[in-house]
Amino acid sequence: GAVVSQHPSRVICKSGTSVKIECRSLDFQATTMFWYRQFPKQSLMLMATSNEGSKATYEQGVEKDKFLINHASLTLSTLTVTSAHPEDSSFYICSARVASDTQYFGPGTRLTVL
Amino acid sequence: ILNVEQSPQSLHVQEGDSTNFTCSFPSSNFYALHWYRWETAKSPEALFVMTLNGDEKKKGRISATLNTKEGYSYLYIKGSQPEDSATYLCAFYGGATNKLIFGTGTLLAVQP
Repeated sequence: GAVVSQHPSRVICKSGTSVKIECRSLDFQATTMFWYRQFPKQSLMLMATSNEGSKATYEQGVEKDKFLINHASLTLSTLTVTSAHPEDSSFYICSARVASDTQYFGPGTRLTVL
Repeated sequence: ILNVEQSPQSLHVQEGDSTNFTCSFPSSNFYALHWYRWETAKSPEALFVMTLNGDEKKKGRISATLNTKEGYSYLYIKGSQPEDSATYLCAFYGGATNKLIFGTGTLLAVQP
């Protein structure tokens, strides 16, 4: 149980385009999902907390107009990187929290912006 | 700024060796310490959530201890196997931040 999928696993796009990443909880409902980013040789850094039916809460330094988060259902949250630039190239990973406070992670998305 | 440090960064051992690594975290406002196992191209897998000082948890050949007063946790693997090869992440959850703060992980490679 507690499986989280993430799609796509890898995406390459041109600078200026937008990219949408989906995060789904497959066998449970998640009122709260999290989006992290990891740059090479660094730790997972929380970008935002996504709450079903309400606006996401962004961490300091993360632009909410650039990283659009939508959590329209209890099993799906999406992250859209708008007008992506090479510096947005990173590994993006989502997680979903259950009542025990454990977070279950998706396998991540490698974004490369040319 | 809250800092979570893991050591060593990487570790190479032979099959059958026992190994351990360390996670250091802030000792104030402690709520929980999480351990994850992350194999390449897969999702991080939750191993333990530890909350009580002195707690010890075990899952098969993997165990973990917790010292909240001095701010460290050890993860032990007994009789390492090649399938144990992964990055082991710890994450601190403190009441003040209400979010997981991750270390950079320890990369374990077990040679057959």
